[in-house]
Amino acid sequence: KNQVEQSPQSLIILEGKNCTLQCNYTVSPFSNLRWYKQDTGRGPVSLTIMTFSENTKSNGRYTATLDADTKQSSLHITASQLSDSASYICVVSGQAGTALIFGKGTTLSVSS
Amino acid sequence: DAGITQSPRHKVTETGTPVTLRCHQTENHRYMYWYRQDPGHGLRLIHYSYGVKDTDKGEVSDGYSVSRSKTEDFLLTLESATSSQTSVYFCAIRRDGERENTEAFFGQGTRLTVV
Repeated sequence: KNQVEQSPQSLIILEGKNCTLQCNYTVSPFSNLRWYKQDTGRGPVSLTIMTFSENTKSNGRYTATLDADTKQSSLHITASQLSDSASYICVVSGQAGTALIFGKGTTLSVSS
Repeated sequence: DAGITQSPRHKVTETGTPVTLRCHQTENHRYMYWYRQDPGHGLRLIHYSYGVKDTDKGEVSDGYSVSRSKTEDFLLTLESATSSQTSVYFCAIRRDGERENTEAFFGQGTRLTVV
């Protein structure tokens, strides 16, 4: 069964600190992996998309990595800010035309 | 926001009544999706559309129907609402849907409560 598992479920860090969120997937065949940020009460917003051949992709203070062999991805947030408090969702896409498979998300709380 | 508008944003309805949620896009994209989001679950696909009058079921389609009579509008209908359909509903579009590595954009969501 195609699944996307994220860890930890929730995380609390101090402002200015770094953190790493994990995503493991069993989706096959694999097309791409996305990380989304979802603020409370809003729709998800894309941070990165990575295909099979990409190992790392950055978007400002967000850096995503992908190991297609082990089917693992991570999202690293550098120098966290209060505005980073949100749910971070890992999404995997299978072959062309199929729907996106969502993880349950990691809830990040950044405190001052 | 990629030109996606969901309406209504909030709705409270009674069990057994029909409810229609609307997703409107301004960018003429082929693929449109309806998801629901519940605590403890990731977003789950209800139905999707790959063109006018072309729709297909997702993993949680029971109790829902959809229609797409024109490119810009994708309607989700709960024929007879039940309490288990209380959820937040998100519409999404995918740009250039024929290519798998294209971006997907989400609407702001509709919070539906069935009492």
